[in-house]
Amino acid sequence: SQTIHQWPATLVQPVGSPLSLECTVEGTSNPNLYWYRQAAGRGLQLLFYSVGIGQISSEVPQNLSASRPQDRQFILSSKKLLLSDSGFYLCAWSDEREGGNEQFFGPGTRLTVL
Amino acid sequence: GQQLNQSPQSMFIQEGEDVSMNCTSSSIFNTWLWYKQEPGEGPVLLIALYKAGELTSNGRLTAQFGITRKDSFLNISASIPSDVGIYFCAGPLIQGAQKLVFGQGTRLTINP
Repeated sequence: SQTIHQWPATLVQPVGSPLSLECTVEGTSNPNLYWYRQAAGRGLQLLFYSVGIGQISSEVPQNLSASRPQDRQFILSSKKLLLSDSGFYLCAWSDEREGGNEQFFGPGTRLTVL
Repeated sequence: GQQLNQSPQSMFIQEGEDVSMNCTSSSIFNTWLWYKQEPGEGPVLLIALYKAGELTSNGRLTAQFGITRKDSFLNISASIPSDVGIYFCAGPLIQGAQKLVFGQGTRLTINP
């Protein structure tokens, strides 16, 4: 069965510091991968998605970047965090070969920028 | 662009009551997904619908794909405390597309 992991679970960072959040998927190959941000327990905002290694699509201009160095690894980064980067970050995967559109989410990372 | 409107935004009910929520769009969707998110966790897929008129159950949960393809409904029967959370509907922007659009969620609170 497939599993998705995110770490860290929680993170408190000062403004201006760098960021690296990691997401890995097990039990599948060549998944589509997604990064979302959720503010105040409502509304999922798609930040990035990837259909393969090194292929990243950005949905909104922002202070963040994403990379996919391996098939089942997706990383969210920032060189200098802003206060507005605080939120709940969710990674998700989907399998196009299954024919559906279901996405499956990880447990999330709670980021607080002070 | 395509948007999903969920209602109600919040629900406060007594344990044991039935719950109904819906999701509507001005655009046609060929897939409807319903997720539940508990506090501090990622959303979990509850039900997926692929055909207009389809009615699918998952335990006490029942979801329907509206005939017009512009709406979907989720019902929870005999609510229990663990039903608390935010329920999201979602659908693909374009059939088979990699991206989903999500509703803003319905927050369910249950009084024991």
